[in-house]
Amino acid sequence: DIVMTQTPLSLSVTPGQPASISCKSSQSLVESDGKTYLYWYLQKPGQPPQLLIHEVSNRFSGVPDRFSASGSGTDFTLKISRVEAEDVGVYYCMQCVQLPWTFGQGTKVEIK
Amino acid sequence: EVQLVESGGGLVQPGESLRLSCVASGFTFSDYWMIWVRQAPGKGLEWVANIKQDGSMKQYVDSVKGRFTISRDNAKKSLYLQMNSLRDEDTAVYYCVRPKSRGFDLWGRGTLLTVSS
Repeated sequence: DIVMTQTPLSLSVTPGQPASISCKSSQSLVESDGKTYLYWYLQKPGQPPQLLIHEVSNRFSGVPDRFSASGSGTDFTLKISRVEAEDVGVYYCMQCVQLPWTFGQGTKVEIK
Repeated sequence: EVQLVESGGGLVQPGESLRLSCVASGFTFSDYWMIWVRQAPGKGLEWVANIKQDGSMKQYVDSVKGRFTISRDNAKKSLYLQMNSLRDEDTAVYYCVRPKSRGFDLWGRGTLLTVSS
């Protein structure tokens, strides 16, 4: 199985300040079609997860542009340029290149 | 409204069976693969099973193979998860999920399964 490792596991951020989450996979997430199947989700308190980023760096519909993501191969990063109160929750990366599809452990983001 | 609504969770004893259901609305259900994802209390997310649009292909995480069966009824816009030989470690909120490409773009609110004696 592909292991997804996120760091840090928790983050306390002052509103308006940036935040960054790293996700590393145990194997390359590049498939034979050339695409990289790495996704980012946010699970707000008491809610199901919601898709933020698809295929490494593409913001999903309605996701604010303060969210950006990058990476390649096995190393990926999610960045929030200016954290807002509504960004609190647990962020997960996920790979869909090889079954079983696997998630990172989650990074809990809270506001200072 | 585009949504997924799960039902069927509850409290069961180890070794018992239960069937979860998910009803889709607001989109053409038969156009999509469908997925079950679970989340143990206070824990992270785990992909459980996939089913192709016509039900001809099903995929499972190893921990549920031989015990869980995913199925669908496109006429009823419904997804199911038949769970047999339940174990304590199956305790979780089970989410019904619609993938777009492979991104999970639509999630239900989940249904809680508790396996305990």
